[in-house]
Amino acid sequence: DGGITQSPKYLFRKEGQNVTLSCEQNLNHDAMYWYRQDPGQGLRLIYYSQIVNDFQKGDIAEGYSVSREKKESFPLTVTSAQKNPTAFYLCASSGDGQETQYFGPGTRLLVL
Amino acid sequence: GQNIDQPTEMTATEGAIVQINCTYQTSGFNGLFWYQQHAGEAPTFLSYNVLDGLEEKGRFSSFLSRSKGYSYLLLKELQMKDSASYLCAAYYSSASKIIFGSGTRLSIRP
Repeated sequence: DGGITQSPKYLFRKEGQNVTLSCEQNLNHDAMYWYRQDPGQGLRLIYYSQIVNDFQKGDIAEGYSVSREKKESFPLTVTSAQKNPTAFYLCASSGDGQETQYFGPGTRLLVL
Repeated sequence: GQNIDQPTEMTATEGAIVQINCTYQTSGFNGLFWYQQHAGEAPTFLSYNVLDGLEEKGRFSSFLSRSKGYSYLLLKELQMKDSASYLCAAYYSSASKIIFGSGTRLSIRP
């Protein structure tokens, strides 16, 4: 089945620790996105990539990093510089000349 | 800015009709999305309007007025499973990105 997968579903981070969230898609989409959602809030764009080996900062990129070495994969690292990382993280992709973004199931990050 | 405004919460009765409104800034605007998001889950795509007018898709319809910067999502024959947040999102081709509203949490009562 074609789709977007994210892992893990839940992730716990200790103080000062970097953690990496996985996002994989087999839709052959060129563009991929990372969003953060806080309770009762809309989605805020962290980073996006429109093509392999290229990515741009979104509205809240500080404390995060990404890579896009393969078309299918767009991992997000939450660094220790992100002081308030507890949130629901959503990965999305779009392609075929369409603006519509399709979302993975999300990863909920909690700080211990 | 590219603010998206929609009501925070709405309540409706099973079997009834509800309309969720959304306003957005028109500069650089290309199209308007509606997504449904159940608690703890990812948003799922409902509709994308680029042209003025009403588009119907089963029990759900979406309307767009480009000149007024206004859209609404109309849900008919409400079912309990329609209890969810509905996210309005505008695509700005000038910035090549989607701006999401905070969502409208819809509660359906029996």
